[in-house]
Amino acid sequence: AQKITQTQPGMFVQEKEAVTLDCTYDTSDPSYGLFWYKQPSSGEMIFLIYQGSYDQQNATEGRYSLNFQKARKSANLVISASQLGDSAMYFCAMRAVFNDYKLSFGAGTTVTVRA
Amino acid sequence: KAGVTQTPRYLIKTRGQQVTLSCSPISGHRSVSWYQQTPGQGLQFLFEYFSETQRNKGNFPGRFSGRQFSNSRSEMNVSTLELGDSALYLCASSSSGTVGAKNIQYFGAGTRLSVL
Repeated sequence: AQKITQTQPGMFVQEKEAVTLDCTYDTSDPSYGLFWYKQPSSGEMIFLIYQGSYDQQNATEGRYSLNFQKARKSANLVISASQLGDSAMYFCAMRAVFNDYKLSFGAGTTVTVRA
Repeated sequence: KAGVTQTPRYLIKTRGQQVTLSCSPISGHRSVSWYQQTPGQGLQFLFEYFSETQRNKGNFPGRFSGRQFSNSRSEMNVSTLELGDSALYLCASSSSGTVGAKNIQYFGAGTRLSVL
């Protein structure tokens, strides 16, 4: 069975600072995909970034980067230069063949950006 | 390009009733997935449809069903509603026709269902 663990239920960050959201996963499948989504209070899940298990380089998308450490099975999201609009719930998710490629989510981390 | 559209946004039902939720995917997307989000259980996968066929299914009772139409629009139905069905139901679409690790799903804003 695969499992996604996000150990930080909530975090505060000062505007313009960087914040790292932790995500560890457990799968025995060699081929898997890791995703981060943002969910503002409106409810919509917004795709942020993707990392494949065979990707050699860490993924980056604008102010979002993924610190992928395959041996440690971690895929931490780094948000640089935080903005007030970054306040939201952030979910780490994974797809792998052993779970029929169903998208499995972690419990999420709430980020609050302070002015 | 319009995003994923879910209707209605809010719904109040009573126990024992049934409900139908609708999802219109991003234009050109043929895969539609449904998720249930509750404070206690988090986000859980319900099912996925591709080209009008259910391609994948989560661990939910048979009261939860879905279908997809030829224009890729999808509906989800819950019969004999229970209090525990109160949740945010999210629909997601993707363009990928293959089942694989990289299948980026784009979500709608969800339908918030309250069962009284």
